[in-house]
Amino acid sequence: GAGVSQTPSNKVTEKGKYVELRCDPISGHTALYWYRQSLGQGPEFLIYFQGTGAADDSGLPNDRFFAVRPEGSVSTLKIQRTERGDSAVYLCASSSIPMLSGGLNTEAFFGQGTRLTVV
Amino acid sequence: AQKVTQAQTEISVVEKEDVTLDCVYETRDTTYYLFWYKQPPSGELVFLIRRNSFDEQNEISGRYSWNFQKSTSSFNFTITASQVVDSAVYFCALGFEDAGNKLTFGGGTRVLVKP
Repeated sequence: GAGVSQTPSNKVTEKGKYVELRCDPISGHTALYWYRQSLGQGPEFLIYFQGTGAADDSGLPNDRFFAVRPEGSVSTLKIQRTERGDSAVYLCASSSIPMLSGGLNTEAFFGQGTRLTVV
Repeated sequence: AQKVTQAQTEISVVEKEDVTLDCVYETRDTTYYLFWYKQPPSGELVFLIRRNSFDEQNEISGRYSWNFQKSTSSFNFTITASQVVDSAVYFCALGFEDAGNKLTFGGGTRVLVKP
């Protein structure tokens, strides 16, 4: 597709279960970002990949959260032992070069997010 | 610490009115970047503009304009002659090149344009 694709669009899981959220970035984009957006709030940074490596994972809230990008394209955000507080929309974005290293109009393209509900 | 404050949680206007969204940021860095994003009901964030801290020139793009004032740490956004399609949540964000390219977002302002 032309844009960033996130699957599933909605996920309901029981407390304590494991979930995986997938992000397909725009083809050729080397930079990929995960953000979490709670209801009524702005997105919060989770992790940034440059290629296959996590260049900055300082936003991951705890060790239950982990993300991979093994081939430098698709990324998976993994959450273990989910808690009700993990309920949020998880947004993925990609850019052709690191967002803040490019020219004035370098932009990150966001997907529509995965709405995770932990019951 | 870096922080972005959007004091207006919701603004309601009638079509064709102008609307200004406030954004105040806090940082001790001298080099930083400011962004505005639009989030329509579909959920994806749509990039509107990016400015760097060394360029205080105001920007106009169609019905959109931005007023960057370093003296007051503000980066306000005005929609002129609003339209129903402008209804969305708008986010202001702050970023630093040496902070892993991550953005710090404000809480957003919901704009409702009534016909």
